[in-house]
Amino acid sequence: DAGVIQSPRHEVTEMGQEVTLRCKPISGHDYLFWYRQTMMRGLELLIYFNNNVPIDDSGMPEDRFSAKMPNASFSTLKIQPSEPRDSAVYFCASSLALVQETQYFGPGTRLLVL
Amino acid sequence: GENVEQHPSTLSVQEGDSAVIKCTYSDSASNYFPWYKQELGKRPQLIIDIRSNVGEKKDQRIAVTLNKTAKHFSLHITETQPEDSAVYFCAPISGGYNKLIFGAGTRLAVHP
Repeated sequence: DAGVIQSPRHEVTEMGQEVTLRCKPISGHDYLFWYRQTMMRGLELLIYFNNNVPIDDSGMPEDRFSAKMPNASFSTLKIQPSEPRDSAVYFCASSLALVQETQYFGPGTRLLVL
Repeated sequence: GENVEQHPSTLSVQEGDSAVIKCTYSDSASNYFPWYKQELGKRPQLIIDIRSNVGEKKDQRIAVTLNKTAKHFSLHITETQPEDSAVYFCAPISGGYNKLIFGAGTRLAVHP
């Protein structure tokens, strides 16, 4: 398996633009997680899905952020409109089970909002 | 909510020395205690984990010890090597919140 795949790897956009990040989890994994990493706030869980259903979105910072998982092999995280404070590395991760199972992280998307 | 703290925030050692990083948590229902390693510009990767029915686990130069009474667990790295230089995160799973809560990270530098 190729592991968790994320695209794009780098994104530079201007404030106000829509940004869409994409993730393909490891085949067979039932859980998918979206994290954001910044120097100031560390690694934060934004939302996670179980069998394509959003379970906990309490970490989503505000209504500008939305996430979907239309099928078991694809998820998106959208920011609309984007702001400079959204600049961060966004990681997608997947696991076989929620608890006591390894989470496998993708390579991340480095987002810069100007 | 779950409060997770790591100490120290930075650690500098000479190659061959041992390194210990401590993680304290607040949720007594936590029952899974992993450590992740993140090299510069890379993704976090699990290096070792322990479950609440075990006090210690070893994997070559790496070990994790758990003290549930005191609510802390520690990462031990022996015979450190330059490639151990990275940021290490503890991420106890919160029984109440059913998700990993990552600590702020410890930056380990191993000098040749």
